[in-house]
Amino acid sequence: KQEVTQIPAALSVPEGENLVLNCSFTDSAIYNLQWFRQDPGKGLTSLLLIQSSQREQTSGRLNASLDKSSGRSTLYIAASQPGDSATYLCVLTPIQGAQKLVFGQGTRLTINP
Amino acid sequence: NAGVMQNPRHLVRRRGQEARLRCSPMKGHSHVYWYRQLPEEGLKFMVYLQKENIIDESGMPKERFSAEFPKEGPSILRIQQVVRGDSAAYFCASSPPGTSKDGAFFGQGTRLTVV
Repeated sequence: KQEVTQIPAALSVPEGENLVLNCSFTDSAIYNLQWFRQDPGKGLTSLLLIQSSQREQTSGRLNASLDKSSGRSTLYIAASQPGDSATYLCVLTPIQGAQKLVFGQGTRLTINP
Repeated sequence: NAGVMQNPRHLVRRRGQEARLRCSPMKGHSHVYWYRQLPEEGLKFMVYLQKENIIDESGMPKERFSAEFPKEGPSILRIQQVVRGDSAAYFCASSPPGTSKDGAFFGQGTRLTVV
């Protein structure tokens, strides 16, 4: 059974800090890894997708890495801003059909001005 | 491409009524997933469908809930005889058939309130 674990469950840091969110999983052989953010009362916004054959992706101040051998992914946020406050979800998304998405429980991030 | 479209965005039902939630996947996507999110909780898997087939419904409550994804038209999540505990946000995601390099995309959700 696929499992995704996110640590920490909640994180509060002052504005401007660089931070890392962690995600571990049991087996990603047939999955890509996707990071989403969810704002309170809102839907999910895709941030970065790392394909199974890739090791990292970057978008602006965000950088996500994937290490399949150790079963880990990290989301690095540089120069954090209050607008980054949200819940961040790590999700295994199937490469082929017939598998469902596998969610972590999320990390609730608060950036304090 | 309009993305994953869910409607209605907000739905209020009285106890005992039926709720029908619709999800139109992205163009070219044939896989649909439904998730439920209770207040202050994470997303819980409900059901995974492909066109005209239910692939995995292990997260669906045994009674009152059903889902379909017909050959034509949106996927429908149907809740009969709603109770207050059904109040939640219901999210739909879609992904393409075959090998996917694009991951999954989510709709904005339907927020069901049972009064």
